[in-house]
Amino acid sequence: DAGITQSPRYKITETGRQVTLMCHQTWSHSYMFWYRQDLGHGLRLIYYSAAADITDKGEVPDGYVVSRSKTENFPLTLESATRSQTSVYFCASSEGLASGGIQYFGAGTRLSVL
Amino acid sequence: DQQVKQNSPSLSVQEGRISILNCDYTNSMFDYFLWYKKYPAEGPTFLISISSIKDKNEDGRFTVFLNKSAKHLSLHIVPSQPGDSAVYFCAASVEGGSEKLVFGKGTKLTVNP
Repeated sequence: DAGITQSPRYKITETGRQVTLMCHQTWSHSYMFWYRQDLGHGLRLIYYSAAADITDKGEVPDGYVVSRSKTENFPLTLESATRSQTSVYFCASSEGLASGGIQYFGAGTRLSVL
Repeated sequence: DQQVKQNSPSLSVQEGRISILNCDYTNSMFDYFLWYKKYPAEGPTFLISISSIKDKNEDGRFTVFLNKSAKHLSLHIVPSQPGDSAVYFCAASVEGGSEKLVFGKGTKLTVNP
């Protein structure tokens, strides 16, 4: 499927478990982003990547790890999940200025940490 | 410190009337602004944008106005339709600033038939 896809759509895990959220885009966009959406906070940037093997922290990176070995994939790992990481996670991609800076979002992953 | 503020968590309007969603920002380095629309259980979708060199951008029923001196922008939807009911996010970026967007908390718009 063309576009940006996230998997799984829903995930329930337990405190202390490792969880990986997947993000795949078919546009070959250079930039990719991970956000979390929580009530009262809007969308907050966790990590972003300007290209393969280039990643950087966003506003709320603690407890998360990312990698980008291929342009099309940008997985987000919670190394030891905590209840505070219960959230809806969105992945996005962008061509950067070439597309006017517009980011295109996946459908999201709803994560519950029990 | 919240750099992009949407002070109205919700807004309710009648079908056919104008919806005005507001957004304020504090960072004078922001030079590009976007509005996103989000339906439940879906990702945000791009709606309209404006560069700081303009004060207005229009796309069909949607118009965004930018007042740089007041660090304020607004999204006007005319006429409003029930399908416009969604959460609207304002976002801002700095050109050449690693393409990051800073989002507001969102305003939930309800358009009543």
